[in-house]
Amino acid sequence: DSGVTQTPKHLITATGQRVTLRCSPRSGDLSVYWYQQSLDQGLQFLIQYYNGEERAKGNILERFSAQQFPDLHSELNLSSLELGDSALYFCASSAGQIYGYTFGSGTRLTVV
Amino acid sequence: QKEVEQDPGPLSVPEGAIVSLNCTYSNSAFQYFMWYRQYSRKGPELLMYTYSSGNKEDGRFTAQVDKSSKYISLFIRDSQPSDSATYLCAMRSEGSNYKLTFGKGTLLTVNP
Repeated sequence: DSGVTQTPKHLITATGQRVTLRCSPRSGDLSVYWYQQSLDQGLQFLIQYYNGEERAKGNILERFSAQQFPDLHSELNLSSLELGDSALYFCASSAGQIYGYTFGSGTRLTVV
Repeated sequence: QKEVEQDPGPLSVPEGAIVSLNCTYSNSAFQYFMWYRQYSRKGPELLMYTYSSGNKEDGRFTAQVDKSSKYISLFIRDSQPSDSATYLCAMRSEGSNYKLTFGKGTLLTVNP
């Protein structure tokens, strides 16, 4: 167990729907990162939050949004889902370590 | 051109073989280099890290960075079936909010 908890582990939904993915970071970690992993694109950075504030944005679609709450858990909201949004979504957390951060086990999203 | 290029493989070797995994990158600002290992249906876990150029050894694993060539390598000696996984290189620059840029990953299978 990495200490980063992601729920749900699997999600199957229809096109056009909206889903929320949840992440609880390791105890003490203030930063949360969201990544999308697909076979053709690999791990793509979506967005970073630090202690409730957005710090960096990557290739995140306008249909996607995220937030980090006062208890430091984070949610990634995906709306108007398309087939191409099917992927693994990972959350990672960091306390500012120079080298890397800790990933959760991911949420596998399937859009049908 | 993608910032980080990694041969996706797959790579299949017999147990005991020496494995060489490689990445090239284009962003000369990258200073911190990491290798992550990802088992099937799991999140990536940090395996090795180096700063700037040089070698680092940890047990059967050696990480090498050649900044002049923008080339990094991971060597696995005496490979074991338990090393079968996807290996992802990752890197970042100073002041990047610790945001990592990943290669697509190389799938390695070590056959007993």
